[in-house]
Amino acid sequence: RKEVEQDPGPFNVPEGATVAFNCTYSNSASQSFFWYRQDCRKEPKLLMSVYSSGNEDGRFTAQLNRASQYISLLIRDSKLSDSATYLCVVNPSTGYGGATNKLIFGTGTLLAVQP
Amino acid sequence: AAGVIQSPRHLIKEKRETATLKCYPIPRHDTVYWYQQGPGQDPQFLISFYEKMQSDKGSIPDRFSAQQFSDYHSELNMSSLELGDSALYFCASSLGTARTGRETGELFFGEGSRLTVL
Repeated sequence: RKEVEQDPGPFNVPEGATVAFNCTYSNSASQSFFWYRQDCRKEPKLLMSVYSSGNEDGRFTAQLNRASQYISLLIRDSKLSDSATYLCVVNPSTGYGGATNKLIFGTGTLLAVQP
Repeated sequence: AAGVIQSPRHLIKEKRETATLKCYPIPRHDTVYWYQQGPGQDPQFLISFYEKMQSDKGSIPDRFSAQQFSDYHSELNMSSLELGDSALYFCASSLGTARTGRETGELFFGEGSRLTVL
């Protein structure tokens, strides 16, 4: 079983739709969490960090449920330019209160926004 | 703003050859990470360096070695290349690590070096 699991998709949605991605992680001691975006054949780029209280950045909302070891990303009013692979990323704990930065990536969820 | 620079962007080698990838981190970033992403796979952590010392090791094959130099650039050396080494190799940098207590958990990735082994 992978440490970070995501539905690979693809999610095909029309422009303007709201779409949600989910992710589960197995290491309960994980320190921090992120959503990265990766365009085809490009490098991963940080989309947003995920905080316990939930956080929003424009059309994007991230939620973390530590008890269920579950992370989500909600995209509202989808744009064509949102088409990409969304990677759920976990930063494991060192055990000393910090994070290792040995990021563990999920396999990604492919989003295709249709005109 | 300056980003992480990787070279070469594309590299074609034959089996059993060697290859060297270079990475120049964002100025003032003191930590460098190497990731390998095979076709259709998620990026896998290989190795990281903080202040020119290896700080963590992941799934890096024994045929691979890496180092970080005094100017903070890093090189990944791969020998006895195998077909399965064909992948996109990303370098990332950050400011600080857990060891310094300054880590932010945010890594900045370079555009990657695509290695094809024939």
